[in-house]
Amino acid sequence: GNSVTQMEGPVTLSEEAFLTINCTYTATGYPSLFWYVQYPGEGLQLLLKATKADDKGSNKGFEATYRKETTSFHLEKGSVQVSDSAVYFCALSGGNTGGFKTIFGAGTRLFVKA
Amino acid sequence: NAGVMQNPRHLVRRRGQEARLRCSPMKGHSHVYWYRQLPEEGLKFMVYLQKENIIDESGMPKERFSAEFPKEGPSILRIQQVVRGDSAAYFCASSSGASETYEQYFGPGTRLTVT
Repeated sequence: GNSVTQMEGPVTLSEEAFLTINCTYTATGYPSLFWYVQYPGEGLQLLLKATKADDKGSNKGFEATYRKETTSFHLEKGSVQVSDSAVYFCALSGGNTGGFKTIFGAGTRLFVKA
Repeated sequence: NAGVMQNPRHLVRRRGQEARLRCSPMKGHSHVYWYRQLPEEGLKFMVYLQKENIIDESGMPKERFSAEFPKEGPSILRIQQVVRGDSAAYFCASSSGASETYEQYFGPGTRLTVT
């Protein structure tokens, strides 16, 4: 079945450092790919999405490119801020067997130090 | 436009009691999804409902768990005879369409603690 694997955390960075959180997926067909962010005590917020190969999703300085050849959707940001500290979830939906449910990775916790 | 609302935000139940979790989707959304998040884990899909219909319940435990989304009122996730392993955060999401390209909007979650 469909699955998502993302790098384990926690990831600790200093302010203004470059961020990469790796995400790979297993799915047949052409699923949609998402990154969600969860701040402490809150629900998930959609950060960005891409619905077809080579699409780049971007929002708030974050970006990720849908790479079908490597089945990856890595999250990047050029300069992180303390306020980016949160848990980030890679997810997919659809594809040949996915249906309408969203499959989430285990999450990567990011700490940004001032 | 109010977002997805869930109540209660925190729920404490003793083993053997029933837990009822409510979810009101965003205005105009008729598709509701329930997910469970165990501590330090990602979200696991439980069930997908449209008004008065269960579309996909492949993630629901076979016993003690049920969900409904009536014509009027919120969606309800019901857990009978709760056990300690049911302690988790339960999130509801809603969308305006059925395709995977439609964004799911998440509520703040209900944190269930079973003592």
